[in-house]
Parts: sequence; C-alpha cells; structure tokens
Amino acid sequence: DAKTTQPPSMDCAEGRAANLPCNHSTISGNEYVYWYRQIHSQGPQYIIHGLKNNETNEMASLIITEDRKSSTLILPHATLRDTAVYYCTPMDSNYQLIWGAGTKLIIKP
Amino acid sequence: EAGVAQSPRYKIIEKRQSVAFWCNPISGHATLYWYQQILGQGPKLLIQFQNNGVVDDSQLPKDRFSAERLKGVDSTLKIQPAKLEDSAVYLCASSLYTGASYEQYFGPGTRLTVT
Repeated sequence: DAKTTQPPSMDCAEGRAANLPCNHSTISGNEYVYWYRQIHSQGPQYIIHGLKNNETNEMASLIITEDRKSSTLILPHATLRDTAVYYCTPMDSNYQLIWGAGTKLIIKP
Repeated sequence: EAGVAQSPRYKIIEKRQSVAFWCNPISGHATLYWYQQILGQGPKLLIQFQNNGVVDDSQLPKDRFSAERLKGVDSTLKIQPAKLEDSAVYLCASSLYTGASYEQYFGPGTRLTVT
C-alpha cells in the first residue's frame, strides 16, 4: 500500500493561497489520490481527488506531478474557516483510504 | 440530502464495561466503514461492509470488537469488554461508486472515553 508524507503543520495568512504538499512516492499506477480535511470535532470532509491530471473544483485545486510521486493541494484564498487537519489519502484497489497523520493548517488573520 | 448519522455523540464508560455505537449511512450507499481515530492520528479502518457482507475486518480486534450491518443499511459497532486504550473517536462513513468517484462521507463520530 502507498504511504504518504505530509508536513505536520503549516501556517497561512488569511486571503492568501495555501499550498499543502504530499509525498506519495510508493503509489501504484491506478491508485487515486484523495484529499480530505477534518475540522475540530467533526468527521473528515471530502475535498478533491485525482489520478494523473490536475483537478479543480469549487473548494480547491489539486496538482499532481507527472511521475505521480507527489501532489499539492491549493486553497486559492484561505479563510479562517479553512483551519483544519488536511489528509492526503491514496485509495487502494479495495476502495480503502490510506490515512497518515495529516497536516494541521492554521489560517492567521 | 441527509448525511451520515451516528449516536451517541459522547460516551464515558469504565474499563471492562460494554458499549455500542450506531450508524445510519446515506440512503443508497452500499459501502459502510467503521474507523477508530486516536487523538493526533489519522483514522484507522476497523471494518468495511458491502451491503450486509463484510469486505475487510482484518484490523478489527475480534476478541472484543464486533460489528454488524443487518439488512444492508444501519450498522452497529460493539466493544465488550472495553479497555483504556479503546478511548478514541469512532467514525462511520459510507460511499457510493459513481463511476468517477468513490468518495466517503463521514458522520460526526462518537467520542468514547474509557476510565
């Protein structure tokens, strides 16, 4: 199973873009990369996912390197409500997400 | 659409007692997951159901934990007897494959404290 490496914590100023990196160098060719976030005392919330191409939705953009060994989640205009733990989670062939410890993102006013 | 419902939200028990958690997934979602999340860690999968059948329970401590999903809808997770190290948040999630995505929708979780 793929394993992920994320920085344990990051700060970002309100209104600026937050760029959250993830290393998943052991990911296999058909494993999608999903991103979730977890706000304090809530269950994780789906953000976005991708396989090879860059993806964008109303919440975020996902940039995946050509070799698929890493990806970056971009929150284009961070707000205080984006303060949360962000998880980069590959999905294996059994449709199971592989969770690490995530990155605690703190948005500062 | 209604989300994943879980109850209770909080539970405090003494070690060696038993406890049960309930989950109602999103209507029509065939796959249901139970996770354990210890403070400061990511969720750990305990068991995965597809309809009312078990897909994977390899990380479920079967000497004390049990789970069922009767009729392929609601599910219960039981711990008997509880240990101090079972203190955690228990998350339920459900998913539906749409052909383009297999995202999981999570409930709010049940915070268990074992004293």
